[in-house]
Amino acid sequence: AQSVAQPEDQVNVAEGNPLTVKCTYSVSGNPYLFWYVQYPNRGLQFLLKYITGDNLVKGSYGFEAEFNKSQTSFHLKKPSALVSDSALYFCAVRDMRSQGNLIFGKGTKLSVKP
Amino acid sequence: GAVVSQHPSWVICKSGTSVKIECRSLDFQATTMFWYRQFPKQSLMLMATSNEGSKATYEQGVEKDKFLINHASLTLSTLTVTSAHPEDSSFYICTGVSNYGYTFGSGTRLTVV
Repeated sequence: AQSVAQPEDQVNVAEGNPLTVKCTYSVSGNPYLFWYVQYPNRGLQFLLKYITGDNLVKGSYGFEAEFNKSQTSFHLKKPSALVSDSALYFCAVRDMRSQGNLIFGKGTKLSVKP
Repeated sequence: GAVVSQHPSWVICKSGTSVKIECRSLDFQATTMFWYRQFPKQSLMLMATSNEGSKATYEQGVEKDKFLINHASLTLSTLTVTSAHPEDSSFYICTGVSNYGYTFGSGTRLTVV
C-alpha cells in the first residue's frame, strides 16, 4: 500500500536555528512528493515538490527538501527558522494507482519560539 | 497561478439540515476535483473524486447518499452534506488539478449543532 509517514507529531525549534521536519514514503515506482503548510482554519499552501531531477528541491519561503531514494525519505528543511513558520506541515505523495489524488501524512506541528 | 475559491469558509447548521459547499476554479478548468475531510489535529482523508460530467468516485466508508458531489461544469464542484449530524462536523477541503499542480480551496469549517 502506498503511504506517507511523518514520525513526529511536533517539532520545536528556536528562532534562527535550522529546522527539519521528517517524512518517509512507501510507493511502488517513482514517487511524486510534496510538502504543504497549513495555518489554522485555512487551506493548504504549496511549499515544494519532487517529481524528478535534482534530489535537493528548493521551494517557497526558504524551505527545501532532499529526496533520498535509498532511505525513502523526503525531509523538509530550513536553515534559519522564523516564528512565522509555526504551522502544521504535511508531506504527501501522489497516488499512482488512482486518479492522482494525494495521500497525506498525519502532519507535523512546527513550533518556533523567539 | 491557479486559484480555487471555496465557500462558505465556515457554517453552523442544525442537525437534520443540509449544507452545500462550493468550489470554483477561477482561472483554470478543473476536470477533476478531490474532496478531503480533516478532523481536528488529524490528516486529510480523501472522501471522493469528482469528475466533470460523470459520477463521483467515493472512497471506502464514505456514504455517497450522505455526501452528494456534483461536478456539472469544468469550473464548479459542489459537496452537499445531507441530513447533517454532529459527527459530520469537520473541516472540508477541495483541491483542483491543473497545469500548476494541485490547488487547494481555503476550506470549510462545518459545525453541526
